[in-house]
Amino acid sequence: KAGVTQTPRYLIKTRGQQVTLSCSPISGHRSVSWYQQTPGQGLQFLFEYFSETQRNKGNFPGRFSGRQFSNSRSEMNVSTLELGDSALYLCASSLGRDSVFEQYFGPGTRLTVT
Amino acid sequence: AQSVAQPEDQVNVAEGNPLTVKCTYSVSGNPYLFWYVQYPNRGLQFLLKYITGDNLVKGSYGFEAEFNKSQTSFHLKKPSALVSDSALYFCAVRDGDTGGFKTIFGAGTRLFVKA
Repeated sequence: KAGVTQTPRYLIKTRGQQVTLSCSPISGHRSVSWYQQTPGQGLQFLFEYFSETQRNKGNFPGRFSGRQFSNSRSEMNVSTLELGDSALYLCASSLGRDSVFEQYFGPGTRLTVT
Repeated sequence: AQSVAQPEDQVNVAEGNPLTVKCTYSVSGNPYLFWYVQYPNRGLQFLLKYITGDNLVKGSYGFEAEFNKSQTSFHLKKPSALVSDSALYFCAVRDGDTGGFKTIFGAGTRLFVKA
């Protein structure tokens, strides 16, 4: 079974621009979550989607948004990029929403904002 | 609120020696605890989880973890370390109290296994 895929793998943007990252979960997985990883803040939760609905959101400004499609694929968007948005963005999928389910992570999208 | 702490930024061990990566947790309700590993330039990989039952949980690549409720700990262990185990290890807890679900990660512990 194919793993979680994320595109693009690397991205360089300038301040003020916007960016869209894409995630395709493992086939059959309906829950998709996004995380931001930085050396200073570690892994921080951004959002969780299930059945095309955002079920949970982390403490990020409104510039960070996302959505999930009917095939469970998900996108996240960051508008008006700031230097501090430079990070590795990880997508994870799981079979269900219950806490017992482990998550499977994609390789991440490395975003650099200049 | 749920939280996990990994008290060691780095653990150094010689190849062939046993290794322990420490994790303590704070949860309200039942703890759902996980260990993930991250190799350079890659996403996180699931190692093992504790949901309920036996306090010793076995996972991938020969790793195991011991759940200790009285000490609120969930330490990751391996009897004999390999150089290829060198990576960044994250302890995590699943939080479902807020109506949605999210995983709260510890800060991570970098493991160096020396040949």
